[in-house]
Amino acid sequence: DQQVKQNSPSLSVQEGRISILNCDYTNSMFDYFLWYKKYPAEGPTFLISISSIKDKNEDGRFTVFLNKSAKHLSLHIVPSQPGDSAVYFCAARRTTDSWGKLQFGAGTQVVVTP
Amino acid sequence: NAGVMQNPRHLVRRRGQEARLRCSPMKGHSHVYWYRQLPEEGLKFMVYLQKENIIDESGMPKERFSAEFPKEGPSILRIQQVVRGDSAAYFCASSPAGGRLEAFFGQGTRLTVV
Repeated sequence: DQQVKQNSPSLSVQEGRISILNCDYTNSMFDYFLWYKKYPAEGPTFLISISSIKDKNEDGRFTVFLNKSAKHLSLHIVPSQPGDSAVYFCAARRTTDSWGKLQFGAGTQVVVTP
Repeated sequence: NAGVMQNPRHLVRRRGQEARLRCSPMKGHSHVYWYRQLPEEGLKFMVYLQKENIIDESGMPKERFSAEFPKEGPSILRIQQVVRGDSAAYFCASSPAGGRLEAFFGQGTRLTVV
């Protein structure tokens, strides 16, 4: 039962433009959300996170938005750079779970073209 | 400051053999998490360990899989009598005691069962 869903398996964006990645969740017990970036043959790298008490968190070129009523979050990357080409995973943690126990979406492959 | 170290990076086993995957957490980290990523899917939580203790094994298959994190040495994920369906990338993550920092992932072990 997939509780974290990334419905777009891939996204192509031009360098310099905005990348918008979407993620939906079904479990209302999730209270912390994270985005990870993954290059081929490497482990996921933490990008940015947001607590359920906030609706926006920004870190440099990366901004995460959370809409609790819609159970939806998104990651904005602006401007997109060639080095951003990777798979991006949305992840969520339940209130009662340990810090590193996460539920992941299936990922979105981002390709940034020149 | 070495990150999370996993070895081997690639492991090939014949059906029925045993697979042993090792994970050395980051220095100072005492919590270890194992995840499995099947092709075209996101990472799935398997088990959470602290030194000499299994804290949460709710994601572990009931048979053939076991994990340990001894007082000395790396954490080991053991798969007995491997089958083709065990072919996947296995990732280990570590975090410090008390959490509050995102778990850092290793580069993974890609297991192929032939």
